[in-house]
Amino acid sequence: QQQVKQSPQSLIVQKGGISIINCAYENTAFDYFPWYQQFPGKGPALLIAIRPDVSEKKEGRFTISFNKSAKQFSLHIMDSQPGDSATYFCAASHNNDMRFGAGTRLTVKP
Amino acid sequence: DTEVTQTPKHLVMGMTNKKSLKCEQHMGHRAMYWYKQKAKKPPELMFVYSYEKLSINESVPSRFSPECPNSSLLNLHLHALQPEDSALYLCASSQVNRGETQYFGPGTRLLVL
Repeated sequence: QQQVKQSPQSLIVQKGGISIINCAYENTAFDYFPWYQQFPGKGPALLIAIRPDVSEKKEGRFTISFNKSAKQFSLHIMDSQPGDSATYFCAASHNNDMRFGAGTRLTVKP
Repeated sequence: DTEVTQTPKHLVMGMTNKKSLKCEQHMGHRAMYWYKQKAKKPPELMFVYSYEKLSINESVPSRFSPECPNSSLLNLHLHALQPEDSALYLCASSQVNRGETQYFGPGTRLLVL
């Protein structure tokens, strides 16, 4: 049973463009929503995270938008760069029990 | 220092072998995790240890046996694995509190022949 649904499965963006990845969850007990970036052969690395009492969080070129009533959250990558090409996972966590979305493979073309 | 280390990086084993994966962190985290990740799939939670005690076991087959000998170390003992167990095994650690970031190691790439 997939507890976190993520879309799109893959995304191709031109350099300088905006990359948008969406996630939705069902379990209202989730209270922490991180995004992880994973390069081939590496472990996931935390990119940015948000708690449900905040609707938006920005760190550099990365922004999370969070809609608690809709149980949805999204990642925006501004000014996308070829070095951002990786797989991105959204996740939702409660009491150290974290569940991942299926992942989005982002390709940024130069 | 936000580093989680895992050894070995790669492991090839037969179905009758016994081997162990090791994970270590020195961030003072008291929660440690094992995840399994198949190619082009998200990490799947296997086990969670909180304060060196097993708190979550996601119905993992008994051929996988976790162990947390102290607050810095986490082992995963492997015995009689199947070829479908071939995957990247990730270790992570975090504080034991609501909504804490999990820090992942680089993983052990396991191939079962």
